[in-house]
Amino acid sequence: DAKTTQPTSMDCAEGRAANLPCNHSTISGNEYVYWYRQIHSQGPQYIIHGLKNNETNEMASLIITEDRKSSTLILPHATLRDTAVYYCIVKGANSKLTFGKGITLSVRP
Amino acid sequence: DAGVTQSPTHLIKTRGQQVTLRCSPKSGHDTVSWYQQALGQGPQFIFQYYEEEERQRGNFPDRFSGHQFPNYSSELNVNALLLGDSALYLCASSFIGGDTEAFFGQGTRLTVV
Repeated sequence: DAKTTQPTSMDCAEGRAANLPCNHSTISGNEYVYWYRQIHSQGPQYIIHGLKNNETNEMASLIITEDRKSSTLILPHATLRDTAVYYCIVKGANSKLTFGKGITLSVRP
Repeated sequence: DAGVTQSPTHLIKTRGQQVTLRCSPKSGHDTVSWYQQALGQGPQFIFQYYEEEERQRGNFPDRFSGHQFPNYSSELNVNALLLGDSALYLCASSFIGGDTEAFFGQGTRLTVV
């Protein structure tokens, strides 16, 4: 499975959009981009995933570049409850998730 | 619809003992994966079970073993516990295949003393 690179941390103001970047330059054609988040000491929570088209659900939007080498997770109106570690994962067909260190998002009042 | 449930939530064991952790997958899911998360690290894949067989395994010693039952529930067994086995153990369930999201339980916090 391809490796991903994320910044270590970022913060944003409550109510503003949070844009979390991820690089996955070695992604192959049949691999999906998944995003999970983990609030302190809880199990990871699925957010969204996509192959090459942009995706949106009730939690977030996922923007994947045309060359698929990077993506951005967008939380449109961040709240304090969105403070968490966010993991960008590239996953092949074997269903294994390979977690990196993730990015710590801090939402400030 | 209950999500993924794990038991127990917390456990304290002595070095050298054996432990069994349990997981019930989300309704309808047929695949269970186990992960170990040490403090301050991302979860690390241990192994995956599908059709009652271990399908994939991460870089973990044979002390770590598992089982999947006909109702898709699963157990993780760890023998000869080491202090370094202290971690949050997470179970995730999904459908087998490439384009399916996995849902995680809240984990079992294992402390080895």
